[in-house]
Amino acid sequence: DAGITQSPRYKITETGRQVTLMCHQTWSHSYMFWYRQDLGHGLRLIYYSAAADITDKGEVPDGYVVSRSKTENFPLTLESATRSQTSVYFCASSAIIGGLSGYTFGSGTRLTVV
Amino acid sequence: GQQVMQIPQYQHVQEGEDFTTYCNSSTTLSNIQWYKQRPGGHPVFLIQLVKSGEVKKQKRLTFQFGEAKKNSSLHITATQTTDVGTYFCAGFQGGKLIFGQGTELSVKP
Repeated sequence: DAGITQSPRYKITETGRQVTLMCHQTWSHSYMFWYRQDLGHGLRLIYYSAAADITDKGEVPDGYVVSRSKTENFPLTLESATRSQTSVYFCASSAIIGGLSGYTFGSGTRLTVV
Repeated sequence: GQQVMQIPQYQHVQEGEDFTTYCNSSTTLSNIQWYKQRPGGHPVFLIQLVKSGEVKKQKRLTFQFGEAKKNSSLHITATQTTDVGTYFCAGFQGGKLIFGQGTELSVKP
């Protein structure tokens, strides 16, 4: 799905460093989401946004910060990376909640914290 | 909070065998969605079920939503190697889509 892109695809960072994962969508979808995927836990919601300048916490928000100054961008920042934040991060977007087209996911960012 | 449990965690089948994954919620769901994630890929939306007792089919895939809207299932008839991947159910609560842990399907040709 070329309409939602994540960058970088892979990232290695050191413990304590700040790192930002980028997410950009071209559909002008109102809703955007960040999930992390870990073995045995499936996909867990970190933060989501219903519109520009509106964000809210998900299931596992601690250690993360988001912003949404523009509808198309929803960056996720790890303020001080920890090893437990090693994961695959997926951004997703949706025009509406509970819509028949579901969520569209980006290709993911594999983050390793050493 | 809401929990969405999915079983089994892994399923290994011979090509041509059937496969079923089950999803159970601790609370009533307004609707449920199913996604497929190929190895190394990202989740891809398959379908949404809304009505109690609803059954939907997509070729060899049959999706069911329980009468009490607390459980759902995905059944694949005569699996093929292209069915390999992890299947997730996900339910809405408070506007948030909560995913089950997924069932990883492997198919031996």
